[in-house]
Amino acid sequence: AQTVTQSQPEMSVQEAETVTLSCTYDTSENNYYLFWYKQPPSRQMILVIRQEAYKQQNATENRFSVNFQKAAKSFSLKISDSQLGDTAMYFCAFRGGSGGANSKLTFGKGITLSVRP
Amino acid sequence: DTGVSQDPRHKITKRGQNVTFRCDPISEHNRLYWYRQTLGQGPEFLTYFQNEAQLEKSRLLSDRFSAERPKGSFSTLEIQRTEQGDSAMYLCASSGLAGEETQYFGPGTRLLVL
Repeated sequence: AQTVTQSQPEMSVQEAETVTLSCTYDTSENNYYLFWYKQPPSRQMILVIRQEAYKQQNATENRFSVNFQKAAKSFSLKISDSQLGDTAMYFCAFRGGSGGANSKLTFGKGITLSVRP
Repeated sequence: DTGVSQDPRHKITKRGQNVTFRCDPISEHNRLYWYRQTLGQGPEFLTYFQNEAQLEKSRLLSDRFSAERPKGSFSTLEIQRTEQGDSAMYLCASSGLAGEETQYFGPGTRLLVL
């Protein structure tokens, strides 16, 4: 079974600064997908960024980028130019690549990010 | 289509009562997922449908839980004889055909069992 570990329960960053959220995972699969989701307080979960394991290039979405280290099974999220609206809980999630029973997402426990004005 | 919708958004019930939640996925999505999220934790997988077929159920889904997706469109999740431990946020997500692996989440139904 896959596991996803987010060892930092909370982080805080000054507005306009850069912050990195850590995530490690364990799997025996070679083809899979990794995601970062954002869940603002009392609001629904939205996708921040995704990474396909077969792609060597790290995914980037505007101010959000990942550092995907497949051999180390590490998938960190970097948020540049932090904004107050980035305050939320962030979840790292794993999805197997073979479909069917591997379609479900396995989530980490999440990290609460606070952006200070 | 504006995304995944769930109804009701909040539900308060007494222990022992039955409750039913509804999820409407994004219209062209054929895969639908249910997750449960307790306070301060990540969502945990409950069950998954591809069209009307329920393809996987978690061990978390006890006999008191049942989910359906009769016409491959909306889905319902019923909890019978609710217990206080069932109090949680119930999330629904949908995704498209193979090759589109991203799951899009609804706002969730927050259940409180008294």
